[in-house]
Amino acid sequence: DAGVIQSPRHEVTEMGQEVTLRCKPISGHNSLFWYRQTMMRGLELLIYFNNNVPIDDSGMPEDRFSAKMPNASFSTLKIQPSEPRDSAVYFCASSPWVSGGGYEQYFGPGTRLTVT
Amino acid sequence: AQSVSQHNHHVILSEAASLELGCNYSYGGTVNLFWYVQYPGQHLQLLLKYFSGDPLVKGIKGFEAEFIKSKFSFNLRKPSVQWSDTAEYFCAVNAEDSNYQLIWGAGTKLIIKP
Repeated sequence: DAGVIQSPRHEVTEMGQEVTLRCKPISGHNSLFWYRQTMMRGLELLIYFNNNVPIDDSGMPEDRFSAKMPNASFSTLKIQPSEPRDSAVYFCASSPWVSGGGYEQYFGPGTRLTVT
Repeated sequence: AQSVSQHNHHVILSEAASLELGCNYSYGGTVNLFWYVQYPGQHLQLLLKYFSGDPLVKGIKGFEAEFIKSKFSFNLRKPSVQWSDTAEYFCAVNAEDSNYQLIWGAGTKLIIKP
């Protein structure tokens, strides 16, 4: 299994530009999570999906951020317009559903976003 | 609301020293417990997990953790650390009434001096 795949691995963009981050979860996993990691705030959950449906987006910082999961094998996180404070590493994680309700998350390699 | 506390934000040890990283959570019901490790510049990887059964859980690379329900704790241990254990360690919990969303601790940065 290839694991969780994220692209691009690095993104440098100018303030005001649109940024789209992509994630392919592990095949068969039915939950997908987007996280942001910074030195100041640590690891933050932005949004998660179960069976392609957004369950909790309370961590999305503001309306500039949006996420979609059009099918079980693909998700995007979009920032429009981007700002320097959005600079961070964005991780995607996926998980199976384990009988009894517990599950573990498998992380992708992350996208390092720099907004200048 | 559930929360996870990792009391040590930074730990510095010499090689061969013993390690114990604390993790406490606040929730009285059924929980599943995890430790993840993030090596410098890399993504988070699962170190070990507890769902049920023997409260002493063994993970990869010689790590183990003990679930003590009465203390709401899941401390991570390793008898003899190596320089390659330098990383950030995250404790996480999911609980039945949080829709099994993972609640994360703030992380502990471990530095091993060679």
